[in-house]
Amino acid sequence: AQSVTQLGSHVSVSEGALVLLRCNYSSSVPPYLFWYVQYPNQGLQLLLKYTTGATLVKGINGFEAEFKKSETSFHLTKPSAHMSDAAEYFCAVSVSTGGFKTIFGAGTRLFVKA
Amino acid sequence: SAVISQKPSRDICQRGTSLTIQCQVDSQVTMMFWYRQQPGQSLTLIATANQGSEATYESGFVIDKFPISRPNLTFSTLTVSNMSPEDSSIYLCSVEGTGDGYTFGSGTRLTVV
Repeated sequence: AQSVTQLGSHVSVSEGALVLLRCNYSSSVPPYLFWYVQYPNQGLQLLLKYTTGATLVKGINGFEAEFKKSETSFHLTKPSAHMSDAAEYFCAVSVSTGGFKTIFGAGTRLFVKA
Repeated sequence: SAVISQKPSRDICQRGTSLTIQCQVDSQVTMMFWYRQQPGQSLTLIATANQGSEATYESGFVIDKFPISRPNLTFSTLTVSNMSPEDSSIYLCSVEGTGDGYTFGSGTRLTVV
């Protein structure tokens, strides 16, 4: 069975600093990996996804993530944080089991300080 | 990607009552999913709803508590029955991801008093 672990329930960075949100997964089959963002009082929005091919994927709002199979990781980064990046971020893994089933990590709340 | 309209966006309900949440998609989709997000927690899948068949519930969720309807390929409802304060959560619907990621509704924030 697949699982997702997000390291750190809260991350705080200064505006302009590097954002790094960590995600490790376990899966017995090649996974599809996703990052979602949830702004206050809103649903989830897809930031980026890895399915196959290039291991460095770029998403919206300047975010990117790198799939590292050897480390079973899919960390989310952004070179320079903006105040508007403050939100909850969820890593998710999805595998095909006769239909796709997605498991979400516990989430990491990102705080951006002025 | 699909656009989902979910309503109500929030509600405050008395314990013992029921609330029906609606989810309308702007395109036909085979599978729709209902999630619960308890305060400060991640998403937990409640059930998968396929048009024309009974919903498939995840462990810990039962049809009597969370009846689901899926009358056509663009619409689904989730009812939270006989509510208690423990049911206070955000409920989200989403549509099928075929490896491309899910699209989510904006959620229904339910408070049971």
